[in-house]
Amino acid sequence: KQEVTQIPAALSVPEGENLVLNCSFTDSAIYNLQWFRQDPGKGLTSLLLIQSSQREQTSGRLNASLDKSSGRSTLYIAASQPGDSATYLCAHRGGTALIFGKGTTLSVSS
Amino acid sequence: NAGVTQTPKFQVLKTGQSMTLQCAQDMNHEYMSWYRQDPGMGLRLIHYSVGAGITDQGEVPNGYNVSRSTTEDFPLRLLSAAPSQTSVYFCASSYSGGAGYGYTFGSGTRLTVV
Repeated sequence: KQEVTQIPAALSVPEGENLVLNCSFTDSAIYNLQWFRQDPGKGLTSLLLIQSSQREQTSGRLNASLDKSSGRSTLYIAASQPGDSATYLCAHRGGTALIFGKGTTLSVSS
Repeated sequence: NAGVTQTPKFQVLKTGQSMTLQCAQDMNHEYMSWYRQDPGMGLRLIHYSVGAGITDQGEVPNGYNVSRSTTEDFPLRLLSAAPSQTSVYFCASSYSGGAGYGYTFGSGTRLTVV
């Protein structure tokens, strides 16, 4: 069974800190990997998508990396802000649908 | 606005009632799928479709039925609602061709079964 694990489950940091969220997966033959943000009571917003042939993607203060051989992806958030507080989910495309981790809930204090 | 539209946003059902959660996308995506999100369980795949007329089961299909008569619509039917089906339901869609395409999610339906 394909699994996605996200560590830590929760993280609290002061504003301005750089941080890394981790995602590991068991299927080395992934198609792509997508990072999402979810605010409380809301839907999922796509942040970054990394194709299996790519090593990383960047959008503003966010950088996501992918290492298929080790089954790991990281989401790097630079200069964190209180507005970054949310749950971050990673998911890889297993066949035709997404397989999700349980997420990391981030709290950034001002 | 292009995207995935889910209706209703909120619903309360009594045990044993049936209902249909609607999902429509206007991006001509071939792939569509339904997930449920529960505390501590994450997002789990219920059913998915790779195109009109083709559906398949995901991880937790029991108690749910789907059909895909058009590319745009992918309704999820609860046949006889149970309290265990209290959850937040998300519909998602994607292009089929190429690893460069990610999934777009609807805003969700919060269902309570009493």
